[in-house]
Amino acid sequence: AQSVTQPDIHITVSEGASLELRCNYSYGATPYLFWYVQSPGQGLQLLLKYFSGDTLVQGIKGFEAEFKRSQSSFNLRKPSVHWSDAAEYFCAVGRHSGGGADGLTFGKGTHLIIQP
Amino acid sequence: NAGVTQTPKFQVLKTGQSMTLQCAQDMNHNSMYWYRQDPGMGLRLIYYSASEGTTDKGEVPNGYNVSRLNKREFSLRLESAAPSQTSVYFCASGRGSGYTFGSGTRLTVV
Repeated sequence: AQSVTQPDIHITVSEGASLELRCNYSYGATPYLFWYVQSPGQGLQLLLKYFSGDTLVQGIKGFEAEFKRSQSSFNLRKPSVHWSDAAEYFCAVGRHSGGGADGLTFGKGTHLIIQP
Repeated sequence: NAGVTQTPKFQVLKTGQSMTLQCAQDMNHNSMYWYRQDPGMGLRLIYYSASEGTTDKGEVPNGYNVSRLNKREFSLRLESAAPSQTSVYFCASGRGSGYTFGSGTRLTVV
């Protein structure tokens, strides 16, 4: 079965500084990988996803992520964070069964705090 | 652009009461899912449905039942609510490289 580990429960970053959120996954084949963001009391917003091709993926709000098969990682980066980036971030891995439902397995999330 | 619609958005139940969470999608997706979100736990899969008429258990199915009424609708039922079922519930549809999530139902069981 697939699994996702987000090693950092909380991360504090100064506004304007760079950000990297870590994500490691376990899956037997090439995975579909996702990053979602959730503001307090809100639903999930898709930041970006990887399913094939270029291993560096660009997303919305200036985020990018790099798929590294050798490290089973899909870390999320942003060169300069804004106060509005404070939120909960979830990494997820999707299986592709070739038929029927797939579904996503989520990490436990990383809470991002932005210091002024 | 409705996508996935969940009702209600908020609900308070007393222990032992029953209720059904409704979910409908207009994406023409075959697959639908119910997740629960708890602090520090991420989202965990409760049940899923690969197509109309089929349902399967996910990671945390105990205390829940589901019905795939038709291609559009996938409901989640709590027969006898318990405080441990206090959570935020998300419905989703899709598969492979694309999923659409509803805005969630915040359920409190007292």
